[in-house]
Amino acid sequence: QSALTQPASVSGSPGQSITISCTGTSSDVGGFDFVSWYQQHPGKAPKLMIYEVSNRPSGVSNRFSASKTGNTASLTISGLQAEDEADYYCSSYTTSISPLYVFGTGTKVTVL
Amino acid sequence: QLQLQESGPGLLKPSETLSLTCAVSGGSIFSTSYYWGWIRQPPGKGLEWIGGIYYTGDAYYNPSLMSRVTIAVDTSKNQFSLRLTSVTAADTAVYSCARHVGYSYYMDVWGIGTSVTVSS
Repeated sequence: QSALTQPASVSGSPGQSITISCTGTSSDVGGFDFVSWYQQHPGKAPKLMIYEVSNRPSGVSNRFSASKTGNTASLTISGLQAEDEADYYCSSYTTSISPLYVFGTGTKVTVL
Repeated sequence: QLQLQESGPGLLKPSETLSLTCAVSGGSIFSTSYYWGWIRQPPGKGLEWIGGIYYTGDAYYNPSLMSRVTIAVDTSKNQFSLRLTSVTAADTAVYSCARHVGYSYYMDVWGIGTSVTVSS
């Protein structure tokens, strides 16, 4: 089961916008609207930021938005803030081998 | 507020069996909308889904670990567990439990995780 592909790192200055991509296949990202995104600060548990491609749980800042085109999902962070510096993982439902979840390789976001 | 708390030994020798428990508080493990699962993260690496289980006992596993993994639920104690046999150094990781939203395939509540090291 191959992980979804994410860039290893993305950086931006405070106030800027950055976008993290998450590329899969038609058996996962492209085949279902079950993409989710998680933020993980060092030593902390992952936090759900986006579910069902573009939905934000209550309490998550509207600076976080997401979308999907074909086999690639994207997470955009607008108005970048120091507290956004963290690792971000995408995840998708997959049927490529048997029904299960697959995570992305992870992206380190650095606020310059 | 729902909380999940992992517990179990932090150090194992190769070939031993890893056993972890996730206690669920602030809510019930009985639910047709949620199931309960485990995810692990090796040092410096990404997340890997291990498997999940409904309160009925129906379980789903990552095929790459299926031969060594068992996830069980104890409804009387409102907790679920992970058992991983024949561990090796490659199983060294932080193991986290999480509530999975079954109909929409995401994890909305996570435990803080517990570190497990396999070393002789």
